Amino acid sequence: QKEVEQNSGPLSVPEGAIASLNCTYSDRGSQSFFWYRQYSGKSPELIMSIYSNGDKEDGRFTAQLNKASQYVSLLIRDSQPSDSATYLCAGRNRDDKIIFGKGTRLHILP
Amino acid sequence: EAGVVQSPRYKIIEKKQPVAFWCNPISGHNTLYWYLQNLGQGPELLIRYENEEAVDDSQLPKDRFSAERLKGVDSTLKIQPAELGDSAVYLCASSRAGGFGYTFGSGTRLTVV
Repeated sequence: QKEVEQNSGPLSVPEGAIASLNCTYSDRGSQSFFWYRQYSGKSPELIMSIYSNGDKEDGRFTAQLNKASQYVSLLIRDSQPSDSATYLCAGRNRDDKIIFGKGTRLHILP
Repeated sequence: EAGVVQSPRYKIIEKKQPVAFWCNPISGHNTLYWYLQNLGQGPELLIRYENEEAVDDSQLPKDRFSAERLKGVDSTLKIQPAELGDSAVYLCASSRAGGFGYTFGSGTRLTVV
C-alpha cells in the first residue's frame, strides 16, 4: 500500500461548481499535509498546507484534515477553467519525509 | 524573492553518457531536495540535504547517481552512466527548517535515447 493514495481521475466538474479532491494516508504518525497544483509541463506549486484536524480556508480553497480517518481533502469553490490541473496530495511522515500521491487530474468544464 | 533555479531546462543524451543537473535554492532555505517525477506519477524523493549534509539518500540509486551540495547552497545531481529508464523530470525543491511545504524549481526534463 502506498503511503498516500489519490484517485487519479480525471474528475470533471462544471464551471462554478465545487470540486472535491480526496486523499488518504497510511502512516498515522504523519503530522502535516500539503496540496500542490501542477499544470501540464510545469512543476508543482504549493497551494495549501494543513497541520491540525478540521478545516483551513484560503480564498476559494478549503483543506480538510481528519487524522482519525487518515483522510485529507481539498475543496475548490466556484471552480474556474484555470483550476484545471493535476492536484497532488502530500504528507510528511514520521520519518520527516514528504510523500506524494500520484495526483488527481481535475477538468473544469466551461 | 527569487525562486528555486534549475538548469538545464531540457536535456537529451544517449544512453551510457553522463549528465548533470544544477540547482540553486531560495536564499535562506537550508533544506534542499532532489525529486524524480515520471509521467502520471507524483514526485519521488531521491535525496534530501540539510545544509551540506545528505540526511536522507535512501532512495538514491548510488551505483549510477551521485549528488553534492558544497557550501550548503547550490547542488548538483549527476547520473553516470544514464539508462533509458532514467528519462523523467528531475525536480529540485527547497524549504526552511520546521516542516513547511516545499518550493519547487522548474525542473529538468531528461530524455535518454
